[in-house]
Amino acid sequence: DGGITQSPKYLFRKEGQNVTLSCEQNLNHDAMYWYRQDPGQGLRLIYYSQIVNDFQKGDIAEGYSVSREKKESFPLTVTSAQKNPTAFYLCASRGTSGTFSYNEQFFGPGTRLTVL
Amino acid sequence: QKEVEQNSGPLSVPEGAIASLNCTYSDRVSQSFFWYRQYSGKSPELIMSIYSNGDKEDGRFTAQLNKASQYVSLLIRDSQPSDSATYLCAVSSTGTASKLTFGTGTRLQVTL
Repeated sequence: DGGITQSPKYLFRKEGQNVTLSCEQNLNHDAMYWYRQDPGQGLRLIYYSQIVNDFQKGDIAEGYSVSREKKESFPLTVTSAQKNPTAFYLCASRGTSGTFSYNEQFFGPGTRLTVL
Repeated sequence: QKEVEQNSGPLSVPEGAIASLNCTYSDRVSQSFFWYRQYSGKSPELIMSIYSNGDKEDGRFTAQLNKASQYVSLLIRDSQPSDSATYLCAVSSTGTASKLTFGTGTRLQVTL
């Protein structure tokens, strides 16, 4: 099955810990994105990557880091510098060829992170 | 600051009725418009995309776009209890790596 997978589904972090969220896609999409969703709020962009070995900061990048060593993978690290990391984290991917439909982003199932 | 505005709801409609969800956006150069459905505790699912003025129909769903008024809407005909969810409006502009700006969503409740 083609799709986007995220792991783990639930993650608990202690104060001062760094944690890494996994995102993998087998859709052969070039672009990948990380969003954060807080209760009652829309999705906010953390980081995005349009090609391998390149990524850009989104609107709320402070306290987060990413890498893009493979086309299929775009892991997100939530560092201890992120003061309020409890949220629902969503990874998305987008194809980059064809007509306007290349703008469509598709989401993985998400990781719910809780700080203890 | 690019903004996408939605009424948070809840919007309550009886089963079988038409649900009308609305969205306004501030960036005039926006080119692509999307509606996502999000069930509680789940990730957003793309249900409609629209790129030009007018209506686009897909099954029970119709998206309507009016770029002059900076307005996009989603109509759901013959609403079913399974349509009860939060609907997110998202907008993308050209030259922005297709970054999406999301509204906060409208919660739809379809009552029996």
